[in-house]
Amino acid sequence: GAVVSQHPSRVICKSGTSVKIECRSLDFQATTMFWYRQFPKKSLMLMATSNEGSKATYEQGVEKDKFLINHASLTLSTLTVTSAHPEDSSFYICSALKAQGYNTGELFFGEGSRLTVL
Amino acid sequence: GNSVTQMEGPVTLSEEAFLTINCTYTATGYPSLFWYVQYPGEGLQLLLKATKADDKGSNKGFEATYRKETTSFHLEKGSVQVSDSAVYFCALSDHQAGTALIFGKGTTLSVSS
Repeated sequence: GAVVSQHPSRVICKSGTSVKIECRSLDFQATTMFWYRQFPKKSLMLMATSNEGSKATYEQGVEKDKFLINHASLTLSTLTVTSAHPEDSSFYICSALKAQGYNTGELFFGEGSRLTVL
Repeated sequence: GNSVTQMEGPVTLSEEAFLTINCTYTATGYPSLFWYVQYPGEGLQLLLKATKADDKGSNKGFEATYRKETTSFHLEKGSVQVSDSAVYFCALSDHQAGTALIFGKGTTLSVSS
């Protein structure tokens, strides 16, 4: 299967700082990537849809100025948590869509990034 | 809107026991249905999928049948192993590519020898 890599896998930062998480599709081009947030004992909640070369589409309730998403190339999307606070501590997961033809594709997931804000 | 409901866990079984994890969905149109598995310390992996009614997805001894009449996609395995211990997520997507998956809350399975 295709490989999606996230970096860093774990990050600890101080409150008020910004943290960038990278999501790379290693062996395919992904015009669309998705960012999820996973809370303990809860489902993965879609934060935003990232399309290469255009602005991300954020889900209701997700602050776009807080969670900056950039999809600058067909293999890289980044999520920057700006001015992080303890409530932003979570597990962030990206997924990349590998197209398999017109209107079809399969999603591949990164390993996730554990953010802890002190 | 679309949604997925999974049975609450954790599910605790002995090795070789039969497993069922219930999943029902609400969707407009004809979604594709998926089961993902998350092993401890790892990312999500696709376990199986079904793209239309009455399709059966299967992989690694797991199987699930897309039941449109009951809007269900229950996961089953006849004989679980310790290595099956993980969190299982049921998910759906609109049939069109480029749309995100909608996940259930996940069910933790713990298998003891």
